[in-house]
Amino acid sequence: DGGITQSPKYLFRKEGQNVTLSCEQNLNHDAMYWYRQDPGQGLRLIYYSQIVNDFQKGDIAEGYSVSREKKESFPLTVTSAQKNPTAFYLCASSLGLAPNEQFFGPGTRLTVL
Amino acid sequence: AQSVAQPEDQVNVAEGNPLTVKCTYSVSGNPYLFWYVQYPNRGLQFLLKYITGDNLVKGSYGFEAEFNKSQTSFHLKKPSALVSDSALYFCAVRGKDTGRRALTFGSGTRLQVQP
Repeated sequence: DGGITQSPKYLFRKEGQNVTLSCEQNLNHDAMYWYRQDPGQGLRLIYYSQIVNDFQKGDIAEGYSVSREKKESFPLTVTSAQKNPTAFYLCASSLGLAPNEQFFGPGTRLTVL
Repeated sequence: AQSVAQPEDQVNVAEGNPLTVKCTYSVSGNPYLFWYVQYPNRGLQFLLKYITGDNLVKGSYGFEAEFNKSQTSFHLKKPSALVSDSALYFCAVRGKDTGRRALTFGSGTRLQVQP
């Protein structure tokens, strides 16, 4: 997990609230990613960014938003429009897109109360 | 479209025995292939990747994987399993020539090594 941090580790949200998950990397990587992990479903891509001020939707972008104002930071906002947000969220970064390998943060577990 | 299948939800093996975790993929053209490992409540760690060249790829912690183009497979192997290898393993693919620019991950295989 070295070089990429996520906070908080655990997050509780009431229904109807927006919450923002933090992801920071000091690896000087251009590309960053957000994934959602649910039991038995592997990782699903939410958003990714190849460079600052640019990002692309992944497979499950609805109900989520991101920004990439700095190279080091790629925060994810889970909006009230996301109907089932309880999950484990993983951020990753890489020098560029594949074949460069991705480095993952330790994850944030979001629970909706 | 690109996809990955990990047909086994769980693999059980005795310590000291060889292990295999299976992965098959589907892409247009040639693939980039990866294996990652996840320990409980942690992020994923990179194990190895195939880009081109030698079909047998060696990675971290004594793991290796064999790329088989005709069978579209990239099975993960280790000659002698350790209890500490028990974890969740993910295979991932990206087509070299496709429009999709991000990896697609499989659903994961839980490896349980019994002492």
